[in-house]
Amino acid sequence: EPEVTQTPSHQVTQMGQEVILRCVPISNHLYFYWYRQILGQKVEFLVSFYNNEISEKSEIFDDQFSVERPDGSNFTLKIRSTKLEDSAMYFCASSVDRGRTGPQHFGDGTRLSIL
Amino acid sequence: AQSVAQPEDQVNVAEGNPLTVKCTYSVSGNPYLFWYVQYPNRGLQFLLKYITGDNLVKGSYGFEAEFNKSQTSFHLKKPSALVSDSALYFCAVSFQKLVFGTGTRLLVSP
Repeated sequence: EPEVTQTPSHQVTQMGQEVILRCVPISNHLYFYWYRQILGQKVEFLVSFYNNEISEKSEIFDDQFSVERPDGSNFTLKIRSTKLEDSAMYFCASSVDRGRTGPQHFGDGTRLSIL
Repeated sequence: AQSVAQPEDQVNVAEGNPLTVKCTYSVSGNPYLFWYVQYPNRGLQFLLKYITGDNLVKGSYGFEAEFNKSQTSFHLKKPSALVSDSALYFCAVSFQKLVFGTGTRLLVSP
């Protein structure tokens, strides 16, 4: 069964540094998402992306965050200047349909640790 | 605010017994409701969804969920629990983005 793959599985970064989290969505999916889960808390929506532009973003997704689909397969989340509170699990997801009715398929996540 | 609530942080059940994981929703309009499961160090796996139609929805791994409009609930159920069902379960409502509940840890003892 096709899967969403995320790299790296664990990223350790110094505060203030830039970090790029990478995702390869399922190949025939058109809608892409990033979520995060701070340890012990619930999964929170960050951003959705379709047709090479952001469809929706949450208040968490401020100017320090950006997303990109640099080629036909990768979907990246960049944090320009990381803060301690950015430490979390970051999940990429993709869906065939426009999210409301179709399931989203999640990767196994990248654990981001900011020192 | 439109949301889902999972009132139990943890549910304990013995293997072979029926299990219920509770979820209530607060949504204006038609709710599109989902259940996901998260195993340790893994992403969220889709279990089942309610969009419209039958109130009893069947999903993966023998799970089912009952949509109750009058009680605004969407409880996850399984007739006979397995130790391997032990995991973190999330209820979610879809507005294209998914809005998740806080999660319920299910612990099935042998």
